[in-house]
Amino acid sequence: DSGVTQTPKHLITATGQRVTLRCSPRSGDLSVYWYQQSLDQGLQFLIQYYNGEERAKGNILERFSAQQFPDLHSELNLSSLELGDSALYFCASSALAGGPGTGELFFGEGSRLTVL
Amino acid sequence: TQLLEQSPQFLSIQEGENLTVYCNSSSVFSSLQWYRQEPGEGPVLLVTVVTGGEVKKLKRLTFQFGDARKDSSLHITAAQPGDTGLYLCAGARGGSNYKLTFGKGTLLTVNP
Repeated sequence: DSGVTQTPKHLITATGQRVTLRCSPRSGDLSVYWYQQSLDQGLQFLIQYYNGEERAKGNILERFSAQQFPDLHSELNLSSLELGDSALYFCASSALAGGPGTGELFFGEGSRLTVL
Repeated sequence: TQLLEQSPQFLSIQEGENLTVYCNSSSVFSSLQWYRQEPGEGPVLLVTVVTGGEVKKLKRLTFQFGDARKDSSLHITAAQPGDTGLYLCAGARGGSNYKLTFGKGTLLTVNP
């Protein structure tokens, strides 16, 4: 158990819909990361938050947005869903804010999104 | 173009065999991590290497970081069914933000 909790574990929805994925980081970790994992692209970094503020952005689509709340939990919002958005979405947390480092990422079990 | 190329993509071996998987890039990384991911779970960190030429051992697993910090290898001795999983390498580059770049992984199956 990594200490990172993600809900829901599975989600099936239709194209054009909007969903929200939720993540609670490990106790004490201030950084939250969102990753998308698909068979063809592998694990792709989407976005990082540190203590409520956006810290780094990766390959996140404009249809996607995220935020980190004062209690440090984070939500990833996916809208106008397309078939290609079907993937595993992982949240990870760490104690580090950023900068070159060797900190460990602790991953949740992921949310599997299926868009029909 | 994938920044980190892992090979082989798939590997199926018998229990007791040795194997090596590779992680290659044309970019220099300040550190490189190896993760293992089992079905239905998130990746779990195995090791972090920081210094060019560094070798780290974790029981039957040996990790090496290339001298130029562009590549890495993972060698498993006497593989066991419990080693089955997706092995991911991830590189971190210096800068003001901490963004790990992951390879697509090597899916290892160790048959009893």
